[in-house]
Amino acid sequence: QKEVEQNSGPLSVPEGAIASLNCTYSDRVSQSFFWYRQYSGKSPELIMSIYSNGDKEDGRFTAQLNKASQYVSLLIRDSQPSDSATYLCAVIPGDAGNMLTFGGGTRLMVKP
Amino acid sequence: NAGVTQTPKFQVLKTGQSMTLQCAQDMNHNSMYWYRQDPGMGLRLIYYSASEGTTDKGEVPNGYNVSRLNKREFSLRLESAAPSQTSVYFCASSVRTDTEAFFGQGTRLTVV
Repeated sequence: QKEVEQNSGPLSVPEGAIASLNCTYSDRVSQSFFWYRQYSGKSPELIMSIYSNGDKEDGRFTAQLNKASQYVSLLIRDSQPSDSATYLCAVIPGDAGNMLTFGGGTRLMVKP
Repeated sequence: NAGVTQTPKFQVLKTGQSMTLQCAQDMNHNSMYWYRQDPGMGLRLIYYSASEGTTDKGEVPNGYNVSRLNKREFSLRLESAAPSQTSVYFCASSVRTDTEAFFGQGTRLTVV
């Protein structure tokens, strides 16, 4: 069974700090990786995608992928209270016909 | 650009009542999905439609039926609602099943 694991949190960081969110996945041949942000009472919103090993930066967000170790992470620099949300890691396994598989999400709290 | 639109946003049903949740997307996506989200359970796939004319069961299909009415619309039907179906329901769509998904705003359903 293909799985995506995240620490449920909450992860609490002070305003201005770097928040580091981690995700591990079980299917070694997974090729596509995504981060979604979900505010309380709202729907998941795609914020980052990454397909190759290394880092991908978009504003204050950096996604990191290490396929050999089967983990993907999301760094949020200069964290703001408005970043407080649940962050969902999602993976598309490499087998043909497979679909987006979500982790349980990590709740991030950024304290002023 | 509406993206994925779900109706209704809120619904209260009595046990045994039936209802249909509607979903429409305007992104010309081939694949559509219905998820439910319960506290501490993450997103769970109920049914999906890989392409127009096809539907398949997901992780938790019992008590639900779906119809892919056309390429744009994918409905979820509860024939005889039960309190265990109290949840937040999300519709999503994607270009293909192996690409990222985009979510509707959700339907909060309470069965009493």
